[in-house]
Amino acid sequence: NAGVMQNPRHLVRRRGQEARLRCSPMKGHSHVYWYRQLPEEGLKFMVYLQKENIIDESGMPKERFSAEFPKEGPSILRIQQVVRGDSAAYFCASSPPRSTGPPLHFGNGTRLTVT
Amino acid sequence: GQNIDQPTEMTATEGAIVQINCTYQTSGFNGLFWYQQHAGEAPTFLSYNVLDGLEEKGRFSSFLSRSKGYSYLLLKELQMKDSASYLCAVRDNAGNMLTFGGGTRLMVKP
Repeated sequence: NAGVMQNPRHLVRRRGQEARLRCSPMKGHSHVYWYRQLPEEGLKFMVYLQKENIIDESGMPKERFSAEFPKEGPSILRIQQVVRGDSAAYFCASSPPRSTGPPLHFGNGTRLTVT
Repeated sequence: GQNIDQPTEMTATEGAIVQINCTYQTSGFNGLFWYQQHAGEAPTFLSYNVLDGLEEKGRFSSFLSRSKGYSYLLLKELQMKDSASYLCAVRDNAGNMLTFGGGTRLMVKP
């Protein structure tokens, strides 16, 4: 009964490169949420997706960041032309469709370091 | 919008009781959650309140007052392993999305 799976656990990129972060939700979950956590800070909401749909992207930076959750395969958070300020832990959580009972369960995160 | 406040840091002694407060001002409300996060790890779910009152779960309890926009997490019989950040989060009316406070870093000393 695997939980939310994220990979890679650690990712190092040079300034200007692209970063791709993957999230496989728990079995049966069709909703995915991405959060970013800067060092010594709380989690900041980025984007909420369902299969093939972006529901809420109010927390996404306007440029360089994009997210998708295709019909098949994991959700991808893509950061183009990374800068040092993108260095953070990126956490993914998933939930069943329109359920307000269970709390969100998070994956172990991807720690992005931009050099 | 959502505004969630909690103290940045707290220190307590092993075996003691500590209360971590959280106040919130939100446009919608459908539950308040507490998560524990050890350094470098994922947040793990601790407790959840949607109605006013106290929810008890072993050494951990959480209280909610919706009219005051206030919650606290109570940790009893503190252990060294309880040293972690404690995150307060509010769920809005739209579903499962959580908005988090900045977290309270708790240090437990011998």
